[in-house]
Amino acid sequence: SQQGEEDPQALSIQEGENATMNCSYKTSINNLQWYRQNSGRGLVHLILIRSNEREKHSGRLRVTLDTSKKSSSLLITASRAADTASYFCAPAMDSSYKLIFGSGTRLLVRP
Amino acid sequence: DAGVTQSPTHLIKTRGQQVTLRCSPKSGHDTVSWYQQALGQGPQFIFQYYEEEERQRGNFPDRFSGHQFPNYSSELNVNALLLGDSALYLCASSPHQGAKQPQHFGDGTRLSIL
Repeated sequence: SQQGEEDPQALSIQEGENATMNCSYKTSINNLQWYRQNSGRGLVHLILIRSNEREKHSGRLRVTLDTSKKSSSLLITASRAADTASYFCAPAMDSSYKLIFGSGTRLLVRP
Repeated sequence: DAGVTQSPTHLIKTRGQQVTLRCSPKSGHDTVSWYQQALGQGPQFIFQYYEEEERQRGNFPDRFSGHQFPNYSSELNVNALLLGDSALYLCASSPHQGAKQPQHFGDGTRLSIL
């Protein structure tokens, strides 16, 4: 399936440090999307990276994609307490209608 | 520009009852998907609606049904509620069907079954 598996399951860092979380998947994809979910809220789209792209940036976020290893990473630089949330990856085929989420990485940024 | 709105925000029902959840997509979006998220888990796809038709369905029983209206808003209906249906129900919209566009999520409806 196109389900992504996030690693680690939980991550606790100090404010100002960088946070790296990883996503692995098993099938070919056209794109991979990262989402953030604050407690009790909906998911917020962060970045979509296409299969022909290797790296993408958005503000303090950097996403890499290695299709040969079927893996992606999300780096948050200079983390803030407001970055505390769960982060989900969703590998996808353009022809598919659905996103398949794993259990996510729970990030805690300590002030 | 309003994003995805869902109602109600919270709902308490008892086993065997029926429930209807509502979703208004982001302006300019014509596709609506529904997800169920149990506590501590990632969202699970229920189904997607486009042009008032169900385009794809996840692994959910027929007790879960939906509808999309001409103004693109959508309803999720769940019959014969079970304790295991307690979850956060999320609606997501996008400008086109499929998974090649980012999904815009509402804040969900928290459904509790007693």
